[in-house]
Order: sequence, then C-alpha cells, then structure tokens
Amino acid sequence: DAEITQSPRHKITETGRQVTLACHQTWNHNNMFWYRQDLGHGLRLIHYSYGVQDTNKGEVSDGYSVSRSNTEDLPLTLESAASSQTSVYFCASSTPGPPGETDTQYFGPGTRLTVL
Amino acid sequence: AQSVTQLGSHVSVSEGALVLLRCNYSSSVPPYLFWYVQYPNQGLQLLLKYTSAATLVKGINGFEAEFKKSETSFHLTKPSAHMSDAAEYFCAITEGRGGKLIFGQGTELSVKP
Repeated sequence: DAEITQSPRHKITETGRQVTLACHQTWNHNNMFWYRQDLGHGLRLIHYSYGVQDTNKGEVSDGYSVSRSNTEDLPLTLESAASSQTSVYFCASSTPGPPGETDTQYFGPGTRLTVL
Repeated sequence: AQSVTQLGSHVSVSEGALVLLRCNYSSSVPPYLFWYVQYPNQGLQLLLKYTSAATLVKGINGFEAEFKKSETSFHLTKPSAHMSDAAEYFCAITEGRGGKLIFGQGTELSVKP
C-alpha cells in the first residue's frame, strides 16, 4: 500500500547541532508539506513544495530549510537547533483534486524532536 | 487572511451523548474546510471535508459537519459518542487549490463511561 513515512520517530539533540528529519511518500504526490505541532497552536506550516526543485516558505520557516530532489522525499533540516524548535513535526503530501475540489492532505506519523 | 477558531480546547461528554465541536472560520474567498482527528501518538486522519458540493458533509466514524456561511461556522457533530472517539480534533481551512492548510488550535475530546 502507498504510504507516507517519517524518520526518526523520536530524536533528542543538543542546541546548535544540525538535524535532518526525513519524509518519504510512495503515492507519487507532487505536493509535500512540513508542519510543526505545539500546544495551543495546532499545526503551523514550515515549508512546502509543489514539485521537484520547488520549495516555498510557510508561516514559521525561520531556522528551517528543505530541498526537493525527487518526488518521493522532502527532508527538513534544522540548520542550528534551538530549544524553541522542540516540537512534533508532521510531514504531509497531497495531489490536486478533481475540478471544483481542493487537494486532500495525508499525514505521516510524526517525529518528536527534543532540543536540549 | 484566512483563519479558523475552535471554541473550547477541551470538551468532555458521556458515552452515548451528542458530540459537538465548534469551528468558526474567516475567509475573504469561498473556503474549503476540513476536520482531522489525531489519536494519541499518531498522525492526522481526515474525517471529512467541505468543498461546496453540499453544505452537510458526512465523514467517517459517524461524524458530520454543516457549513453555514451566514454564521461562518463548520461545527462537527456525532449523535452518540463512543469511547473510541476520544482524541484531538482539528478544524482546518485552505485557500483554493494548492492545499496549504491553516489549522485551528485543536479540541481534545474526552468520553466518560
């Protein structure tokens, strides 16, 4: 079955280290998204991509970067991890819906990141 | 700018009682609206979505939501709560195609035996 996976599921790192979270989907979806989930804020968009070599900043992109070298993967990199980036990170993918409908996003299981 | 507001961060109901989770939205264009459910330590699962085809939308697990433009609301209901419905529920909005979602802050539903 097609799916979306994230790795690692749990990660503990130290302030200042570079961290990369992986996201892989087998649906061949063009659109991929990264969100972070924090209490009281719901999910907030970090970065998104509409296809290979396309990346865009979301609402809370500072301190994060993404690259899209193929359809299946959108890794999220924290250049220099900060304690404020302790959060649960979700990857999602979607494909355009039929005329008159919008896309539907499908979410991965999440990565819990702790920055000490 | 679009936004959604979920009224009540925690809702508690008894098993068998009506579930009502409130969501109000703000949008300058006709919105697409979603409800997602998140069970503990899991990702988000789509419950239902409004795409203008019908104002009353039926979803999975017996949930439904009604789009009311005059009230800018998209409340989620279920006639009879089950213990398995205990989870966090998120309302979300997107502007047109492209799929970027803006989420509400979430409502945690507890179901008492």
